[in-house]
Order: sequence, then structure tokens, then C-alpha cells
Amino acid sequence: GAGVSQTPSNKVTEKGKYVELRCDPISGHTALYWYRQSLGQGPEFLIYFQGTGAADDSGLPNDRFFAVRPEGSVSTLKIQRTERGDSAVYLCASRPGGSITGELFFGEGSRLTVL
Amino acid sequence: AQTVTQSQPEMSVQEAETVTLSCTYDTSESNYYLFWYKQPPSRQMILVIRQEAYKQQNATENRFSVNFQKAAKSFSLKISDSQLGDTAMYFCAFMQPGGKLIFGQGTELSVKP
Repeated sequence: GAGVSQTPSNKVTEKGKYVELRCDPISGHTALYWYRQSLGQGPEFLIYFQGTGAADDSGLPNDRFFAVRPEGSVSTLKIQRTERGDSAVYLCASRPGGSITGELFFGEGSRLTVL
Repeated sequence: AQTVTQSQPEMSVQEAETVTLSCTYDTSESNYYLFWYKQPPSRQMILVIRQEAYKQQNATENRFSVNFQKAAKSFSLKISDSQLGDTAMYFCAFMQPGGKLIFGQGTELSVKP
């Protein structure tokens, strides 16, 4: 498809397990963002990639969270030793690197439930 | 640090009426973008309207318009002729060029028949 694709759509895991969430941005978009959205809240910034490198990772809550984008396209958000408080919808967004409008294009998110 | 505040957790409006959602923000920057995004139950964020801070003219997209008051750091969204399909969460957001998008807490809008 032409939009931002996120997999899985839903993930249920047990406390302490490792989880990977995948984001496939719009083709040609060099900027990629990860957000976390808790129930009833606005999305909270986690990390932003420009190409392969993390331009801003100030939103990652602790060292259990890590994200990669090795080839400058697909990105994976990795969560180690999951906790119940990690339960949320994880949103990915992308935009063209040279965009002057600033608009981000979002995927439908991955809902993570930690039991 | 930039912050975005939406002081109305919930709003409701009758179909065909007009509703205004409020948003204020805090920044020391002079060049930035402001956005309103809509999030229906499908979870996907959809851009409703955007405003460049250097433009004094208020942005308009069909039934959606903004009242941008730069000095007051206010950016409200007006929805005219409300439709049932407008029912959703609405988020105000701020971005510096090349930076991250910062969201407000959201306003849940219900359009009643």
C-alpha cells in the first residue's frame, strides 16, 4: 500500500517478555517517528530518525526501549523486559526529508497489551 | 520546552451546528508549524488543517478553519456544519521545522444527530 504500515496490529505478551514492533514508512520518506499513546491521552514522542540515524531519542523512557532503522527505511521498536505500564498504542509516522509543510503521515498503530 | 494545552477534554455539538476547539501552546521560537489532527476509532491520525507561523492569514480547509493568534499563542479549530463523521478525538500539535511533533492531550468531539 501507499501508506505507513505497522505490524502487528495487536500484540499481547506477558510481563518480562521481549517485543518488537515494525514500521514500514511511505516509500521515499527519510524522516520516521515513533510515538506512544496511552488510553485517553495524546501521543507522546519517543524517537525520530532522519535516514538511518536517530536525530532525537529524548523521548525513550528508559534503556528497555530501543529503536533501529538500519537501511533508512523500515524501523523496528524493541522493548525488553516488558512491564504492564508499557501497554499502549505505538504509533509510527513518516514524512519526506525535505518537506516544508511539516506534515507527518501516520500508520494505524500497534496496540501492545502486557499482562 | 514547547508545550501544547487543550483545555476541553470533551465537547459535543448538534449536527449542522458550529463548534470551536481550543488550543494554546508555549514556545520561544518564531518559526514553527501548527496542526490539528483527527483520530477516529480506527486509531489512524488524519491531518485536518495546518498553519505556518509566519503566515498571518488563517488557514481554511472546506468546513474547517483556524483562528491563529500568534501573540497570544492560541490556535483554535472551528468546524462548521458539523457532520456525524466528524465524531473523533482531535489533537492540536506543534512542530519546529525539522523537529518533533508535540501533541496536546486531545478533545473528544461528539456530533449528535
